Amino acid sequence: AQSVTQPDIHITVSEGASLELRCNYSYGATPYLFWYVQSPGQGLQLLLKYFSGDTLVQGIKGFEAEFKRSQSSFNLRKPSVHWSDAAEYFCAVGEVDNDYKLSFGAGTTVTVRA
Amino acid sequence: DVKVTQSSRYLVKRTGEKVFLECVQDMDHENMFWYRQDPGLGLRLIYFSYDVKMKEKGDIPEGYSVSREKKERFSLILESASTNQTSMYLCASQLLNEQFFGPGTRLTVL
Repeated sequence: AQSVTQPDIHITVSEGASLELRCNYSYGATPYLFWYVQSPGQGLQLLLKYFSGDTLVQGIKGFEAEFKRSQSSFNLRKPSVHWSDAAEYFCAVGEVDNDYKLSFGAGTTVTVRA
Repeated sequence: DVKVTQSSRYLVKRTGEKVFLECVQDMDHENMFWYRQDPGLGLRLIYFSYDVKMKEKGDIPEGYSVSREKKERFSLILESASTNQTSMYLCASQLLNEQFFGPGTRLTVL
């Protein structure tokens, strides 16, 4: 079974600064990888996904993520954070041979200071 | 745009009550899911359904049941609510491995 680790529970970043959120997974094969964002009181919105191909994927709201097979990582980045990026971010892993199941990390809460 | 709606944003129930959480999707997706979200634990899968009347247990099914009589609707049932079921409940539907989430129901059991 796969597992997902988000090592940072909470990150505080200044508006305009860069942001990187870490995600490590445990899975035997190449997984499907996702990043979701949850604004306060809202459901989850997909930021980006990786299924195959180019290991650097672009998403919505100026986010990108890089899949590194050797490190079993899928870190999320944004070059310049806006106050509206304050939210909780979840990394998720899906199994190539099991269409149904996603495993989620515990989440990273991002606070943006002015 | 895919739309997943949940019947209530906030719900307060008493211990022992039977609770129904409803989820509706408008994109004819086969697969639907119920998760609960708790601080520090992320999302945990309660049940999922891959077709009408078909269901599978997720990681934490105890104390819950589900119903899927129509493709667009997936209901989560708490047969006898307990305080440890106080949580945020999220419904999702799925197409090609991508899951689309509803806004969530925050349930408080007193």
